[in-house]
Amino acid sequence: AQRVTQPEKLLSVFKGAPVELKCNYSYSGSPELFWYVQYSRQRLQLLLRHISRESIKGFTADLNKGETSFHLKKPFAQEEDSAMYYCALVTNAGKSTFGDGTTLTVKP
Amino acid sequence: SAVISQKPSRDICQRGTSLTIQCQVDSQVTMMFWYRQQPGQSLTLIATANQGSEATYESGFVIDKFPISRPNLTFSTLTVSNMSPEDSSIYLCSVYRASGANVLTFGAGSRLTVL
Repeated sequence: AQRVTQPEKLLSVFKGAPVELKCNYSYSGSPELFWYVQYSRQRLQLLLRHISRESIKGFTADLNKGETSFHLKKPFAQEEDSAMYYCALVTNAGKSTFGDGTTLTVKP
Repeated sequence: SAVISQKPSRDICQRGTSLTIQCQVDSQVTMMFWYRQQPGQSLTLIATANQGSEATYESGFVIDKFPISRPNLTFSTLTVSNMSPEDSSIYLCSVYRASGANVLTFGAGSRLTVL
């Protein structure tokens, strides 16, 4: 069975500081990994997917199969980045497992 | 990506009653799912809504409590039956691989409070 671990429930940084949200996974197959974000009073939305290797809102995430990690990074955090972030693993059948989420607070 | 409409967006219900949540997608999708997000917790998959057949439930969820319908490729309903305060949660509909994109897209969710 697959599993996703986000070790930090809360993360607080100052504006302009680098931020890294950790995500580790376990899955016997070839996973598809995603980061989802939920801003206050908004619906859950896709932020990044590992397969596209893109940068969205300054965030990047690299899949490290050796370490089974998919950490989310941003070099300079902004106040509008404050939100709940979820790491998710999705199988080929579309079944997903979400981490417990990390609440990011960016202080001015 | 797909546009998903869920209703009701929120409701307050009495213990012992049932509520049906509707999910409408603007395009045909093969994979459709229902999730629950309990207060302060992450998302948990309830079931896969299968078109034309019975839903596939995850461990800890049963059809009698959460009956699901999927009459076509754009619509599904989730019923929360015989509700208790422990069922107070956000229920979310999601689709996967809509328009060929390998992503999970979520509805806005239905916030259910059981008194």
